[in-house]
Amino acid sequence: DTAVSQTPKYLVTQMGNDKSIKCEQNLGHDTMYWYKQDSKKFLKIMFSYNNKELIINETVPNRFSPKSPDKAHLNLHINSLELGDSAVYFCASSQDGRRAFFGQGTRLTVV
Amino acid sequence: AQSVTQPDIHITVSEGASLELRCNYSYGATPYLFWYVQSPGQGLQLLLKYFSGDTLVQGIKGFEAEFKRSQSSFNLRKPSVHWSDAAEYFCVGTNTDKLIFGTGTRLQVFP
Repeated sequence: DTAVSQTPKYLVTQMGNDKSIKCEQNLGHDTMYWYKQDSKKFLKIMFSYNNKELIINETVPNRFSPKSPDKAHLNLHINSLELGDSAVYFCASSQDGRRAFFGQGTRLTVV
Repeated sequence: AQSVTQPDIHITVSEGASLELRCNYSYGATPYLFWYVQSPGQGLQLLLKYFSGDTLVQGIKGFEAEFKRSQSSFNLRKPSVHWSDAAEYFCVGTNTDKLIFGTGTRLQVFP
């Protein structure tokens, strides 16, 4: 069983569209994260949720909104997509806030 | 400010040669430290971690890392590199719920 799964794996969409990336973890972890990896491979945290509550919200455009319907899910909604949003987005989860398990990543391409 | 630095952006080695990837951290207290590997098209995989105790930690795939407090370093080593080790390597630190990634080191392996 996949511990942290993201869907879709690839997403190609036009500028201005609204899209969502889903993330689910079956590890029973309390904390989930979204990371963005840019074209230079640098990973940067975007959001962190602990028990469905937002605890980290780094400086990202407000077009990005995380939604956590329950402890096992943390979805990422992106409105009015822009070319610069193209990147690989990683979901992760952890129990103690330290060791994180990562999903396979979602490669978003905005055209 | 907390930071993790990987001074080498790109390293090339011959198959069978030894490898050392550098990582330096800057934290108020000793952080928890990890090395992750990202193979092309794959998600992040944890190689090893240091929390406390023995400063030489063993990981998967024949990797090891040594924590040196005096040098604020956590360098990753492997005595003999295999072609399948070609990937992007990330040093990661944390002492909170926030993971701080280094910028990554791309490893190329020549036959």
